[in-house]
Order: sequence, then structure tokens, then C-alpha cells
Amino acid sequence: ETGVTQTPRHLVMGMTNKKSLKCEQHLGHNAMYWYKQSAKKPLELMFVYNFKEQTENNSVPSRFSPECPNSSHLFLHLHTLQPEDSALYLCASSQVTGTGVGNTIYFGEGSWLTVV
Amino acid sequence: AQRVTQPEKLLSVFKGAPVELKCNYSYSGSPELFWYVQYSRQRLQLLLRHISRESIKGFTADLNKGETSFHLKKPFAQEEDSAMYYCALWGGVGNFNKFYFGSGTKLNVKP
Repeated sequence: ETGVTQTPRHLVMGMTNKKSLKCEQHLGHNAMYWYKQSAKKPLELMFVYNFKEQTENNSVPSRFSPECPNSSHLFLHLHTLQPEDSALYLCASSQVTGTGVGNTIYFGEGSWLTVV
Repeated sequence: AQRVTQPEKLLSVFKGAPVELKCNYSYSGSPELFWYVQYSRQRLQLLLRHISRESIKGFTADLNKGETSFHLKKPFAQEEDSAMYYCALWGGVGNFNKFYFGSGTKLNVKP
């Protein structure tokens, strides 16, 4: 398995449910991201983790809770979501080189979330 | 503040016509810019990055620092180019390695 893999690919959950999205990257990268993709805001950065440390929380509601246990895995825990949270959630990774040379960000296929 | 602007939501052209997808950016340092493409039901993937000065699938993009632009061009569009295109800017290590994306342009190549 190579690249960035996300599970599940599709998730339907009620507003009172608790579920989690999982992401795994096989690229040896040290930065991971969650993006939200919807018709309203095509690519909205949610969280950034550099070297397992959260370095960005883009004013995301607390009903979304990220977890990065190691540099290869990233989770997004979901709790008491709203119907407007229905979207495609994209995980991505990149390599922080620290040299000033640009990195490339690689995306997973996404998890389609429907909140009913 | 870092920002990427793609002024066109939709661009429709006929097959064989030239294509230019516009991208303007705002960045205080020396930018690293990318174009990403998302074909129907596929993942978002890198098309090209300015630092490589490459041509991928006939597409090229030139960084114009004076105009703060990074427009994507192709001389002869093909139907298989129909997709969503995103311009992206890397914010740098000092900006926690964030990538900023434009709102995207949907390219529709008609037969």
C-alpha cells in the first residue's frame, strides 16, 4: 500500500453518534493535514500536524477532535455533528524539509461523511 | 497574509482551443506554487509545481512575481482535461508548513 489511505470511504452517522475517520500515510512524511471539501468552501484547512504536534486549528468546532498518535497516522474523531458538517474530508501529508525548498502535499481519496 | 485567488469558477472551452486558468497569490516571501487537479471521482493530485519548471500533460505554468500570478496554460485542450483545478501556495516552514488553496476552477472541455 502506498500513498495516503483513508477509511472509511463513506460514513453515515446520526447527530448523536460518535465516529472516527482514519488516515494512514505510507510516504515517510512528517506533516499531516485534515481538509474539508464541500460545495460551499472547496478546500478548507482544518488541522495541521507537524512532527505529531498540532500546529494549526483553523477555528474548527470542538465537535471535531483530531488525534495524531505518530507521524504515519491521523484520526478525526466526530461527535454530535450537524447536518451542515456533511462533506468530503480529505487527509493529506507532506515532508517538512526545513531547507526552504517547497514541499508537495499528497492527498487521500477522502471520506464522504453524511450527517442525518 | 497568504492568499490564493482563482477568479473563475467555471471555464468552458472547445476541444483544441487554448486554455488559461488564472491564479493570483499574495505572499510576503519567495513563493512556492503548485497546480493540483481533481478528475471526477478521483483524488486531488499534483499536476505541476513551479520550482520544477515542468510540463505535465501539455500544461505549463509560469511564475510572474511582478504580477503575483501563476496561470496554468495549455495550447490545445483535450476532453480528458475536464476536471477541477486548484492553485496552491506553500506557506513555508515558518508558517507551520500550511498549504493555501484557491477556490478552484472547473474546466469543461467540450467536443
